[in-house]
Amino acid sequence: DAGVTQSPTHLIKTRGQQVTLRCSPKSGHDTVSWYQQALGQGPQFIFQYYEEEERQRGNFPDRFSGHQFPNYSSELNVNALLLGDSALYLCASSPPGYTYEQYFGPGTRLTVT
Amino acid sequence: KQEVTQIPAALSVPEGENLVLNCSFTDSAIYNLQWFRQDPGKGLTSLLLIQSSQREQTSGRLNASLDKSSGRSTLYIAASQPGDSATYLCAVWAQKLVFGQGTRLTINP
Repeated sequence: DAGVTQSPTHLIKTRGQQVTLRCSPKSGHDTVSWYQQALGQGPQFIFQYYEEEERQRGNFPDRFSGHQFPNYSSELNVNALLLGDSALYLCASSPPGYTYEQYFGPGTRLTVT
Repeated sequence: KQEVTQIPAALSVPEGENLVLNCSFTDSAIYNLQWFRQDPGKGLTSLLLIQSSQREQTSGRLNASLDKSSGRSTLYIAASQPGDSATYLCAVWAQKLVFGQGTRLTINP
C-alpha cells in the first residue's frame, strides 16, 4: 500500500510566478491537509480539504489556494510567488472520521529566486 | 491562540545515553499530542500519539508523557543510538496540528 505521495520533489521558481504542487493521499483516506515548513521551523498549517471543499484554513494569504478532486487527491496553488514562500510543503492525509491521524508525504521543496 | 514551544532547540549526546526532550503548550484544551520524527529534508513520521485522557504512551525505547494541567509533554529516549539522530517535533491537535519548532538531536558514536 503506497503512502502519501507528492510531486514534484523539488521545484525552482522565480518571484512573481505561479506554482502548483500535487498530493495523492494514502489509500482509503479522504481528508488532505497542507503545511508549509520554512527552514529550521516547525510546519505551519495552510488549509485542509474534505469532500472537495476547503474545511479549514490557517493564517495564509489568498495567494495560497487549493483543490481536492473526486479521487481525494489535492493540489496546492501559490500565485505571485515571494522569496519568503521558499519552504518545504508537506501534505498529510487522514482516514475517515480520524482527521487528527495525519500521515505525511515526503514533501515538495520549493525554492523561489 | 495555541503556541507550542520545544526546548532545547538542539541537543548533542554520546551514544548510549538516556535523554529527555521537552514540549510545552499554552492552551490545555487539546484533543491529543503527537511526537514526530523528521530526517533532513524529509517528511514527518509519527512516533507516539497521546490522547488528552492519557498520561503516557510507550513504543520500544520511546516514552512520551502528557501533563495537560501544566501544558507539558516530554519524550524520553532510552539507550540512544546514532540512528536516532533527527529532528523531533511535537504537535498538539486543536482542529489542526500546531507544531513546535523542533529539537535537532545528534547522537555521537
